[in-house]
Amino acid sequence: AAGVIQSPRHLIKEKRETATLKCYPIPRHDTVYWYQQGPGQDPQFLISFYEKMQSDKGSIPDRFSAQQFSDYHSELNMSSLELGDSALYFCASSTGVPGYGYTFGSGTRLTVV
Amino acid sequence: KNEVEQSPQNLTAQEGEFITINCSYSVGISALHWLQQHPGGGIVSLFMLSSGKKKHGRLIATINIQEKHSSLHITASHPRDSAVYICAVLGGSQGNLIFGKGTKLSVKP
Repeated sequence: AAGVIQSPRHLIKEKRETATLKCYPIPRHDTVYWYQQGPGQDPQFLISFYEKMQSDKGSIPDRFSAQQFSDYHSELNMSSLELGDSALYFCASSTGVPGYGYTFGSGTRLTVV
Repeated sequence: KNEVEQSPQNLTAQEGEFITINCSYSVGISALHWLQQHPGGGIVSLFMLSSGKKKHGRLIATINIQEKHSSLHITASHPRDSAVYICAVLGGSQGNLIFGKGTKLSVKP
């Protein structure tokens, strides 16, 4: 069965560079969530989208932005990267009923050097 | 105080032992997830519960909505069960999860 696809799996960037992370939800899932998990920490909610509109916002820095496209895939854009942005970034998708069918991607591990 | 509390934080067991991980939460929820995270990071959803009990193979999850408490049980534990188990609750109407700190389980052969 198709799963949530994230790309890239690993990314190394230098300070002050930009990065774009992509998430492709399960077919027929219209809701996408982004989470950030720092080393040794529990995941923190960043932002979510439902039907291409932002539906909720968590602890997402102003340097980050995200959007959901017409095919429901989502991209997280990160600018002016800082060392503290090094983390595992998870995407999850679900159906229109909030949280149901919750499925996680494998994550993108971002390392800022 | 965290909204989702798990215990224990770390757990070491011998192969074959019965394991219980507990989760208590302080917010109103519509559902609770038990997740498994292996070294390297990938998260797998094991169960989503809104009431009662669910069983899948050697895993059993229960929830008591009145007491705001859930447990994850692993019967006949095996070294491949070694992972971090995370309780996450679905609160509010937007669908994002609130995560517990996780329980690191190590099953020794």
